[in-house]
Amino acid sequence: QVQLQESGPGLVKPSETLSLTCTVSGGSINSGYYYWGWIRQPAGKGLEWIGRVYTSGSTNYNPSFKSRVSISTDSSGNLFSLNLRSVTAADTAVYYCARALTTDYALWGQGTQVTVSS
Amino acid sequence: QSVLTQPPSVSAAPGQTITISCTGSSSNIGADFDVHWYQQLPGTAPKLLIYDNTDRPSGVPDRFSGSKSGTSASLTITGLRAEDEADYYCQCYDDRLTVVFGGGTRLTVL
Repeated sequence: QVQLQESGPGLVKPSETLSLTCTVSGGSINSGYYYWGWIRQPAGKGLEWIGRVYTSGSTNYNPSFKSRVSISTDSSGNLFSLNLRSVTAADTAVYYCARALTTDYALWGQGTQVTVSS
Repeated sequence: QSVLTQPPSVSAAPGQTITISCTGSSSNIGADFDVHWYQQLPGTAPKLLIYDNTDRPSGVPDRFSGSKSGTSASLTITGLRAEDEADYYCQCYDDRLTVVFGGGTRLTVL
């Protein structure tokens, strides 16, 4: 069955760019019509939606991230990516990638811890 | 502060029934967008528990049920078990073209 796996640096310096990828295995990122999203969770806190990219390439983002965020797909690598610019300590969290057919995320990656610190 | 409001915690004894509320507004739940519920066990990724207000994914026991009315939704768990102890989140779409989550409710099984 389809599985998602996040990967990327676990430590990012303040003001730099956080870059994560989510590799899709057991199926093609181009098969079907799905929303591929990123959600994060600071330690001891709730879930925060970051944004999503549709199979067609269109994107929607949480306004809270303003112009800092971009999400894209890579068909050749069968993955999708998150870039979050100008990070601060407040961006320290577990980052999850997930897939939705409409708005419900039925499939999640295991999550990856990202710490912002110098 | 989350767009969707949930009680921070709820507790009950095994075998009892609990209900977790999720209150939104006219731009999300009240705009007739579907509400979904997730269960997050300690140290794990969230798991879809209820989708489209009332539907259960395959494998989710029928002890879990959802409902929606107006600008609010609810998750009900009957016949509480120790393994139900977890954090529960509601989620909805918002007419600002974003996905919104509730702040989460920690369920303690006494």
